[in-house]
Amino acid sequence: DAGVTQSPTHLIKTRGQQVTLRCSPKSGHDTVSWYQQALGQGPQFIFQYYEEEERQRGNFPDRFSGHQFPNYSSELNVNALLLGDSALYLCASSRLGLAGGDTQYFGPGTRLTVL
Amino acid sequence: GQQLNQSPQSMFIQEGEDVSMNCTSSSIFNTWLWYKQDPGEGPVLLIALYKAGELTSNGRLTAQFGTTRKDSFLNISASIPSDVGIYFCAGPNSGGSNYKLTFGKGTLLTVNP
Repeated sequence: DAGVTQSPTHLIKTRGQQVTLRCSPKSGHDTVSWYQQALGQGPQFIFQYYEEEERQRGNFPDRFSGHQFPNYSSELNVNALLLGDSALYLCASSRLGLAGGDTQYFGPGTRLTVL
Repeated sequence: GQQLNQSPQSMFIQEGEDVSMNCTSSSIFNTWLWYKQDPGEGPVLLIALYKAGELTSNGRLTAQFGTTRKDSFLNISASIPSDVGIYFCAGPNSGGSNYKLTFGKGTLLTVNP
């Protein structure tokens, strides 16, 4: 049973560039959430996707956008990168409608460095 | 916004000792989750709690959902070196949507062999 997978593992970009991160949810899950984790902090919620739509959004600017595909996989896009966007980006999956459906399972993350 | 307060911030213990950490909130939670994160890795779910008063074990780990629904505790018995890592509590609040998880700032555990 495959867990949550993310790609790439590491990424280095320069200020002003754009980046796309990818996530495949755990088998049987239909909901994908994205989090940003700065060094020494807990993860911060960016947004969540279900049925290919954004359900809720955290306190992140419009430079952060996402997409969910029919196979439930998801992408996180960040435009006009800033130095402060350097962080570990985590994807988490869950399945709505199940008991404990708000229990989220995390992938290994993508380490983004903006120079 | 909603906050979870974890304590202690860090712990340095000897192998074999028991460990206790807790998490409190000003708001009610319907679910409490405890995760462990190793450096450069994603958080791994340790225990999920769904009912006030619930006590759940996972091997040497035991967690409790506080009866007020505003706190939770995690205990680790007979610690071993691989217990080293950052432990986070998290939960979706009941006041708004259950879509996002709010995380504490974590408890850094160091185990001296």
